[in-house]
Amino acid sequence: KQEVTQIPAALSVPEGENLVLNCSFTDSAIYNLQWFRQDPGKGLTSLLLIQSSQREQTSGRLNASLDKSSGRSTLYIAASQPGDSATYLCAVHTSGTYKYIFGTGTRLKVLA
Amino acid sequence: DTEVTQTPKHLVMGMTNKKSLKCEQHMGHRAMYWYKQKAKKPPELMFVYSYEKLSINESVPSRFSPECPNSSLLNLHLHALQPEDSALYLCASSHYGGQQETQYFGPGTRLLVL
Repeated sequence: KQEVTQIPAALSVPEGENLVLNCSFTDSAIYNLQWFRQDPGKGLTSLLLIQSSQREQTSGRLNASLDKSSGRSTLYIAASQPGDSATYLCAVHTSGTYKYIFGTGTRLKVLA
Repeated sequence: DTEVTQTPKHLVMGMTNKKSLKCEQHMGHRAMYWYKQKAKKPPELMFVYSYEKLSINESVPSRFSPECPNSSLLNLHLHALQPEDSALYLCASSHYGGQQETQYFGPGTRLLVL
């Protein structure tokens, strides 16, 4: 059974710092992995999608990497801003299933 | 158009009410999904529709009744809900419903059951 873990559960950093959020999963047989952002009381915003054949994806200040063999993905945020404050969820689409399994998220607070 | 829309954004209902959640996409996708996210928990799959037919029900109680009247529209009918059903309900869609497809998520409907 696929299990997805995100570390740390919460993170508070000063503005301007570069930071790394971690996601690990137990079953490396995956189709793809998505990183989402969720603001308090709001829905999901997809940030980056990495197919199983890819190693990384970039969008603006965000870079996500995928190491399928070790069951890990990282989300790198460069030059963090207070507007980046949110919960970041990773979700893994396991091979042979229809559903995404989500991690419990990392709550990020960027201090001005 | 790469958007999945959901209405309403917020809904408050009593335990004896009947209400419906609506999800719409105009990407030509033939598969649609309902997920449920309780507070401080990750989303969990409820239902999958493929070509307007229910293909997966993740043992969801019958007080939740999905409906897919056409390929662009997915409804979730709610009846006799309990306060513990209060959650964010997320809709997603994908091209054909194949297991390896990427799912695109809507913003969700936040439901409060009193």
